[in-house]
Amino acid sequence: DAGVTQSPTHLIKTRGQQVTLRCSPKSGHDTVSWYQQALGQGPQFIFQYYEEEERQRGNFPDRFSGHQFPNYSSELNVNALLLGDSALYLCASSLLLPGNTIYFGEGSWLTVV
Amino acid sequence: GQNIDQPTEMTATEGAIVQINCTYQTSGFNGLFWYQQHAGEAPTFLSYNVLDGLEEKGRFSSFLSRSKGYSYLLLKELQMKDSASYLCAVTANQAGTALIFGKGTTLSVSS
Repeated sequence: DAGVTQSPTHLIKTRGQQVTLRCSPKSGHDTVSWYQQALGQGPQFIFQYYEEEERQRGNFPDRFSGHQFPNYSSELNVNALLLGDSALYLCASSLLLPGNTIYFGEGSWLTVV
Repeated sequence: GQNIDQPTEMTATEGAIVQINCTYQTSGFNGLFWYQQHAGEAPTFLSYNVLDGLEEKGRFSSFLSRSKGYSYLLLKELQMKDSASYLCAVTANQAGTALIFGKGTTLSVSS
């Protein structure tokens, strides 16, 4: 049973560029959330997708957008990259109801230069 | 507002017991998670508390007091591999199933 898988694992982008990160949730899970983790900090919630719609959103600008596909996989898009967007981007999957264990993927390390 | 507080760093020796505290202030409360994160890796699930009391799972135990907005993670018989960051996270009514994380506690275990 594959866990949460993310791609790519590492990437380097230039300021102003756009990036797309991908996530496949754990088998049987229908809810995908994205988090940004800067060095030395805890993960910060970006947004959550369920039934192909954004259910909740954290305090992130509109440059951060996402999508969920019918097979529950998800993409995170960041436009007009800033140096401050350099971070580990984590995908988490779960069932929707509170109390279900939330599993994380290995993350995508984004460096903006 | 929402606030999760935990100590930044802790040190301990192999074989010892360490307690990592977490206090939280949220509007509404659904449950509290503890995750372990080794450097450069993803967080891995350790425990989940929704009711008051102690949950024991092998060398790790987690305690919750909802009235005090307080939790702790207890690690027994420490091993070198326990050196990691320990993240306290809360799900609250206004955040649905989104996790609100503290900054994490870096635990260093020495021989």
